[in-house]
Amino acid sequence: NAGVMQNPRHLVRRRGQEARLRCSPMKGHSHVYWYRQLPEEGLKFMVYLQKENIIDESGMPKERFSAEFPKEGPSILRIQQVVRGDSAAYFCASSIKGAGGAFFGQGTRLTVV
Amino acid sequence: AQSVTQPDIHITVSEGASLELRCNYSYGATPYLFWYVQSPGQGLQLLLKYFSGDTLVQGIKGFEAEFKRSQSSFNLRKPSVHWSDAAEYFCAVGLDRGSTLGRLYFGRGTQLTVWP
Repeated sequence: NAGVMQNPRHLVRRRGQEARLRCSPMKGHSHVYWYRQLPEEGLKFMVYLQKENIIDESGMPKERFSAEFPKEGPSILRIQQVVRGDSAAYFCASSIKGAGGAFFGQGTRLTVV
Repeated sequence: AQSVTQPDIHITVSEGASLELRCNYSYGATPYLFWYVQSPGQGLQLLLKYFSGDTLVQGIKGFEAEFKRSQSSFNLRKPSVHWSDAAEYFCAVGLDRGSTLGRLYFGRGTQLTVWP
């Protein structure tokens, strides 16, 4: 049973470009969470999705960031017109209802140059 | 507002020594509590978790943690540290009852260095 898969592991974008980060949850998991880890900081919650629904996006920046979890395929975190401050590690986690503790992917390290 | 505090940013211990990493939380009720470990460039691995019941929780890799309600603490311990334990450790609080418990609030982490 494969774990949470994120790709790419490393992503370099120039300022103003778009970044797309993908997350395939563990088999059987229908709940996906995205977190951002800035240097020297812990992880900050961004968004919680279930299939085709955004449940809680209270941690998402109001502009340029969006997330989806379609019926088929991975969850996507999209960052439009990236800026240097978007450089961070982005982690995806998945769980099933009632399970204890989410399982994390390896993360995508985004560098904006 | 909910918060998770890990007061020690960096801890250094000798291999074979005992270890205690501190974690305090601020929340009106008893949250669900977790410890994760992160090696450089890697994701987070769940070490252990507390939901209810016995306040001393056993985890993987020889770690344990004790929930103390009166102190709002959930400290992580290991009796004898191995060099491979060098990593960053995160305490986390889950507040979503009745849902999947996936949404977590994290402390800033404690970096553990182990001397040979």
